Amino acid sequence: QQQVKQSPQSLIVQKGGISIINCAYENTAFDYFPWYQQFPGKGPALLIAIRPDVSEKKEGRFTISFNKSAKQFSLHIMDSQPGDSATYFCAAPNTGGGNKLTFGTGTQLKVEL
Amino acid sequence: NAGVTQTPKFRILKIGQSMTLQCTQDMNHNYMYWYRQDPGMGLKLIYYSVGAGITDKGEVPNGYNVSRSTTEDFPLRLELAAPSQTSVYFCASTYRDGYTEAFFGQGTRLTVV
Repeated sequence: QQQVKQSPQSLIVQKGGISIINCAYENTAFDYFPWYQQFPGKGPALLIAIRPDVSEKKEGRFTISFNKSAKQFSLHIMDSQPGDSATYFCAAPNTGGGNKLTFGTGTQLKVEL
Repeated sequence: NAGVTQTPKFRILKIGQSMTLQCTQDMNHNYMYWYRQDPGMGLKLIYYSVGAGITDKGEVPNGYNVSRSTTEDFPLRLELAAPSQTSVYFCASTYRDGYTEAFFGQGTRLTVV
């Protein structure tokens, strides 16, 4: 069973700062690594995903960096805003097959003014 | 377009009672999933389905049952509710497989007392 380790558990960043969340996985049969964003009382929603034939993907202020040899990937949020305050989950393909994802334990981000 | 709709939003059950959490999607997605979310634990997969008439166990299936008689509906049945089943439950769907965007419902907050 795939294990995905996510850190930190919680993060406080000043407005305009950089938020960095890290994930490490054990193995994967398929290279697909998404990040989901969840606001209180809502379901998670896809934020950004990478299928790494590249080591980095950027969408606006959000960037995924991927290190295949280290089996790690991270989410960088540039110019963090109060509206980014949410819980973020990384995920990796489940090695048990069935086209399923294993999610990390989540990072609660708070961006302060 | 409603997306993924879950009912009810909140429910309190007594120990030993049973209930069905409803999930329906109007996106004609083949894959559907049930997750439970506990504080600090991320999203754990309970059951999933790759199409009508096909279901399979996820990481934490004990105490739950599912059925998939149509593409649209994927109800989750709790038999003999226990306090350990107190959680927030999310239904999700993907179009092709687990390696594409998952659309989540708003969640059902269940308390077993």
